[in-house]
Amino acid sequence: EIVLTQSPATLSLSPGERATLSCRASQSVSSFLAWYQQKPGQAPRLLIYDASNRATGIPARFSGSGSGTDFTLTISSLEPEDFAIYYCQYRSNWPPRYTFGQGTKLEIK
Amino acid sequence: QVQLVQSGAEVKKPGSSVKVSCKASGGTFSSYAITWVRQAPGQGLEWMGGIIPIFGTANYAQKFQGRATITADDSTSTAYIEVSSLTSEDTAVYYCARVGPYDSSGQSFDFWGQGTLVTVSS
Repeated sequence: EIVLTQSPATLSLSPGERATLSCRASQSVSSFLAWYQQKPGQAPRLLIYDASNRATGIPARFSGSGSGTDFTLTISSLEPEDFAIYYCQYRSNWPPRYTFGQGTKLEIK
Repeated sequence: QVQLVQSGAEVKKPGSSVKVSCKASGGTFSSYAITWVRQAPGQGLEWMGGIIPIFGTANYAQKFQGRATITADDSTSTAYIEVSSLTSEDTAVYYCARVGPYDSSGQSFDFWGQGTLVTVSS
């Protein structure tokens, strides 16, 4: 079973700064990796799919990179609404099964 | 625009079962998988399983195999998850989500329901 490990657990930054979040897989997941944002009391929102593709309506300041076992979500310049919890997710090919990382909390410094 | 609307909060006794519904609108229900994810208080996201309504067969995370049952009613565009033998550890918000098309979402979860809080307490 593939395990996704996110780091850091908490990231404290100020608006305008650059955020770099990491997701490491216990074995290669090719590019079958997505990123979600979740704010308190809300359902998650899809940001990035297949490691580097922005979902519909997602601002260009969000970008994803990586393949194999190491992935990064970058927010180029933090806006106040970006402070939230971020999860990475792996999708197996068939049968489709999904695994989430434990999350990174991005908080205001 | 796809919308997923879930049933309301539930309070259940340990050992009982709960059934949560997820009604879809604004899209072609039967063509896309509906999946279920839960989140215990203060915890992360946990995938439970999913179903493609047009096929009617569900697949489950190993942890929930035999204790969760996912079904879909194409005539009402509604998916369901039933979880049996509830314990306090099943207290969580249960979300349904659509598995989007490969070309625009990589079969990730592109639309989500609002969540249903299930509380298991004696």
